[in-house]
Amino acid sequence: DGGITQSPKYLFRKEGQNVTLSCEQNLNHDAMYWYRQDPGQGLRLIYYSQIVNDFQKGDIAEGYSVSREKKESFPLTVTSAQKNPTAFYLCASSITGGGEKLFFGSGTQLSVL
Amino acid sequence: SQQGEEDPQALSIQEGENATMNCSYKTSINNLQWYRQNSGRGLVHLILIRSNEREKHSGRLRVTLDTSKKSSSLLITASRAADTASYFCATASMNSGYSTLTFGKGTMLLVSP
Repeated sequence: DGGITQSPKYLFRKEGQNVTLSCEQNLNHDAMYWYRQDPGQGLRLIYYSQIVNDFQKGDIAEGYSVSREKKESFPLTVTSAQKNPTAFYLCASSITGGGEKLFFGSGTQLSVL
Repeated sequence: SQQGEEDPQALSIQEGENATMNCSYKTSINNLQWYRQNSGRGLVHLILIRSNEREKHSGRLRVTLDTSKKSSSLLITASRAADTASYFCATASMNSGYSTLTFGKGTMLLVSP
């Protein structure tokens, strides 16, 4: 089945630690996105990538980093510079980056120990 | 920055009733989309309406768009308990040559049997 796979489902971070969230898609989509969702809030864009080896900062990129070495994969690293990382992280993809519909993964809940 | 604002924040109805949610936005858009999110899960795309369209239907869903008022509404007819979820509007706007989606904070819909 085609889709987007996020792992792990739950992740715990210690103070000063970097953690990486995985996002893989087999939809052959060019564009991929990372959103952050806080309780009772909408989604805020962290980073997006229109094509391989290219990515752009979203509205809240500080404290996060990404890479796009393969079309299928768009991992997100939450660095120690992100002081409030506890949130639900959603990865999404679209056929191209033209603002058409997004396909979402099932999310990763990140908490701080 | 959050572009869309949904209203109401929460809505509680009985099965069989209709549910109406509204979305207002601030800047010009290419399209507006509605998504559904069950608790702790990823978002699922429901419907997309382009800026030159006024109304669109999909099954029990009806979406309207009024670009002069910068607003949209989502109507779910004959609601079911399974429709219980959060509903988000998202607007697609051009930003530095790219088009990304900006999400509102959502409406929580509770449908009681």
